Amino acid sequence: TQLLEQSPQFLSIQEGENLTVYCNSSSVFSSLQWYRQEPGEGPVLLVTVVTGGEVKKLKRLTFQFGDARKDSSLHITAAQPGDTGLYLCAGTSGNTPLVFGKGTRLSVIA
Amino acid sequence: EAGVAQSPRYKIIEKRQSVAFWCNPISGHATLYWYQQILGQGPKLLIQFQNNGVVDDSQLPKDRFSAERLKGVDSTLKIQPAKLEDSAVYLCASSLHSSRALNTQYFGPGTRLTVL
Repeated sequence: TQLLEQSPQFLSIQEGENLTVYCNSSSVFSSLQWYRQEPGEGPVLLVTVVTGGEVKKLKRLTFQFGDARKDSSLHITAAQPGDTGLYLCAGTSGNTPLVFGKGTRLSVIA
Repeated sequence: EAGVAQSPRYKIIEKRQSVAFWCNPISGHATLYWYQQILGQGPKLLIQFQNNGVVDDSQLPKDRFSAERLKGVDSTLKIQPAKLEDSAVYLCASSLHSSRALNTQYFGPGTRLTVL
């Protein structure tokens, strides 16, 4: 069974700070996705990474896929209150269903 | 473009009762997914449809859960009878294609079920 471990589980920071959240597994994934979920809503896809070592940037968010395709990180620069939410990573290998981690709950305080 | 619609948004029932959830995917999306998200966990796939056929239901507790997508458009998920551990948010998602590797799934707002 493929498992994705996310850390930290909870993170509370001040506006303007930088942060990094992690997604780790002992399994290799062919692709990995990051989602953000706000209370009362479904997850919204932020990015998909497919190549080992790949780095993608989305405004203040930087996503990296590990060289061995077993781990990923999300770095947020100068966090804003609008970044508050549950960040989920999800991976698939070949034609397997998406497996989600438990998420990192981020709170950015103004 | 309208998103994935789900109803009801909230449901409270007693254990051993039955409940049904409805999902209308984005127009033209052939693939429909039902996920269960227990508090503090990530979503877990229950069932995946490609048009009106089942692609994957390996994690669906078939003794109490059933789902259908008869005309290949909207879908219903049923629980009968419900147990306390079924309390969760039930998310519906849809995608244009069934390829999992690069597929973008669009999620609805979910139905929050509380079983007392």
